[in-house]
Amino acid sequence: GENVEQHPSTLSVQEGDSAVIKCTYSDSASNYFPWYKQELGKRPQLIIDIRSNVGEKKDQRIAVTLNKTAKHFSLHITETQPEDSAVYFCAAHNAGNMLTFGGGTRLMVKP
Amino acid sequence: NAGVTQTPKFQVLKTGQSMTLQCAQDMNHEYMSWYRQDPGMGLRLIHYSVGAGITDQGEVPNGYNVSRSTTEDFPLRLLSAAPSQTSVYFCASTPTGGGGTDTQYFGPGTRLTVL
Repeated sequence: GENVEQHPSTLSVQEGDSAVIKCTYSDSASNYFPWYKQELGKRPQLIIDIRSNVGEKKDQRIAVTLNKTAKHFSLHITETQPEDSAVYFCAAHNAGNMLTFGGGTRLMVKP
Repeated sequence: NAGVTQTPKFQVLKTGQSMTLQCAQDMNHEYMSWYRQDPGMGLRLIHYSVGAGITDQGEVPNGYNVSRSTTEDFPLRLLSAAPSQTSVYFCASTPTGGGGTDTQYFGPGTRLTVL
């Protein structure tokens, strides 16, 4: 089955700096890669996703890039704000109807 | 719409007890799923359903049963609780049957402790 690895597990940045979280996947057939944000004690919520026919997607301060050859994708957050502090999960769609998640990255934005 | 709802919010069980975690959605979504979340391990899929009457196993199905008699409800049953099942359980739904390639709407979660 699919295996998704996510790095780093924790990331601390100064407010206004950029943050980058990277994920690798194992199944070359995977074609959908969402990112979820989970604030403390809350449910995960989708923040951005990308499909395999696209190399990059942006939504305001958030962008995701995908390198299918290398089987990795990354989340980029620019001009970080304290409210960006949360746990971020990447995921990859594998065979059938299943989504495999990475282990998560705890992002801390220091004011 | 209430979205995806889960009950109970918290539950403490003794080893060997059984219980059912409830999940319901009022968005007429075809796909529903159950995940467990353990520290440092992300979300792992337990079981999923692509529509009423259809269920399938996910990554970690052992010790759990599901059924899908209606589009709205997708209960998760723990057959004989074990301490290894201590976790936070999330139910999720997606609008289409292709749950792996669509936005997942998560419920608020159930925090389960097995002593």
